[in-house]
Amino acid sequence: DAKTTQPPSMDCAEGRAANLPCNHSTISGNEYVYWYRQIHSQGPQYIIHGLKNNETNEMASLIITEDRKSSTLILPHATLRDTAVYYCIVRVTGTASKLTFGTGTRLQVTL
Amino acid sequence: DAGVIQSPRHEVTEMGQEVTLRCKPISGHDYLFWYRQTMMRGLELLIYFNNNVPIDDSGMPEDRFSAKMPNASFSTLKIQPSEPRDSAVYFCASSFNPRSGHGYTFGSGTRLTVV
Repeated sequence: DAKTTQPPSMDCAEGRAANLPCNHSTISGNEYVYWYRQIHSQGPQYIIHGLKNNETNEMASLIITEDRKSSTLILPHATLRDTAVYYCIVRVTGTASKLTFGTGTRLQVTL
Repeated sequence: DAGVIQSPRHEVTEMGQEVTLRCKPISGHDYLFWYRQTMMRGLELLIYFNNNVPIDDSGMPEDRFSAKMPNASFSTLKIQPSEPRDSAVYFCASSFNPRSGHGYTFGSGTRLTVV
């Protein structure tokens, strides 16, 4: 699976949009981008995933660049409960390959 | 659905003792994963099962670690003998379709401290 690069930490004011970037310049055509998050002391939680089109669900939006070398997770109205470590993972779907976590971005939402 | 259930939530043990961590996956999920999380190494996959059969144990650090899944509703991760460097949070996750990448549900973890 392709390697990802994320900033180690970010801050966001409550109520504002949180934009979390991820670089995956070596991504292959059959690899998807997944986002998970881990709130302190809990297990990771799935957020969203996509291949090349932008995706949106009740939690977040995922914007993938046209060349697919990077993506951005958007939390439209961040709250204090969104403070967590966010992991960007690239993997092939359609196989039983392992879900491998990197170091992620620690997002701190402040008042 | 109660989700993935792990026990105990916290375990403190002395070096050299045997430790057994337990996991009950979500009913109907036929994949089960054991992860370990430390500050230094982050989240690491130790082993995973499919239909109660171990598929990949390449992440198991050494022979002191063993995992079993005697039936579809129960798995154990055993460390014998335990060492201080085994101190970590151990997560269990289950999935009905790991091919999708988003079907993973994690438990709340067991925080192990070996003194």
